[in-house]
Amino acid sequence: GENVEQHPSTLSVQEGDSAVIKCTYSDSASNYFPWYKQELGKGPQLIIDIRSNVGEKKDQRIAVTLNKTAKHFSLHITETQPEDSAVYFCAASVWGDMRFGAGTRLTVKP
Amino acid sequence: DAGVTQSPTHLIKTRGQQVTLRCSPKSGHDTVSWYQQALGQGPQFIFQYYEEEERQRGNFPDRFSGHQFPNYSSELNVNALLLGDSALYLCASRDRVDEQYFGPGTRLTVT
Repeated sequence: GENVEQHPSTLSVQEGDSAVIKCTYSDSASNYFPWYKQELGKGPQLIIDIRSNVGEKKDQRIAVTLNKTAKHFSLHITETQPEDSAVYFCAASVWGDMRFGAGTRLTVKP
Repeated sequence: DAGVTQSPTHLIKTRGQQVTLRCSPKSGHDTVSWYQQALGQGPQFIFQYYEEEERQRGNFPDRFSGHQFPNYSSELNVNALLLGDSALYLCASRDRVDEQYFGPGTRLTVT
């Protein structure tokens, strides 16, 4: 089955800096790659996603890139703000069977 | 428009007992998936329901079972609870597109 690895497990940045989180997946059949933000005591919130026929997608301060050949995808957050502090999860999906990475705890210091 | 809702919020059970968790999907969504999230880990896929049938299943024992009702709501049942079943149980719903939205979860503690 699909295996998703996520790095780093923790990331601390200064407000205004950029943050990058990277994931790899194992199943070449995976065709959908969402990113979720989870705040304490809440369920994961979908923040951006990308499909296998697209290499890059951007939404304001966040962007995701996908390299299908290398089976890598990354989340980029620019101009980070304290409210970006949370745990971020990547996931890879094959027809609805979604597998998650272990998460990255992002801390943005004011 | 209400998003995904789950009940109860918290639950405490004893080893060996059985538990039922409930989920109402986001309006317009017909597919419901259940996940188990242990502390400090990512969600683990349990199973997915569509048209009242289990369509896909992750690596979970038969003690975990579910049901989907005609109104698309769903239940997760866990029998013979173990201490290791303590976790946040998340329900997620989607329509025919891949975008999946999560509920707030049910925190299950097994003592």
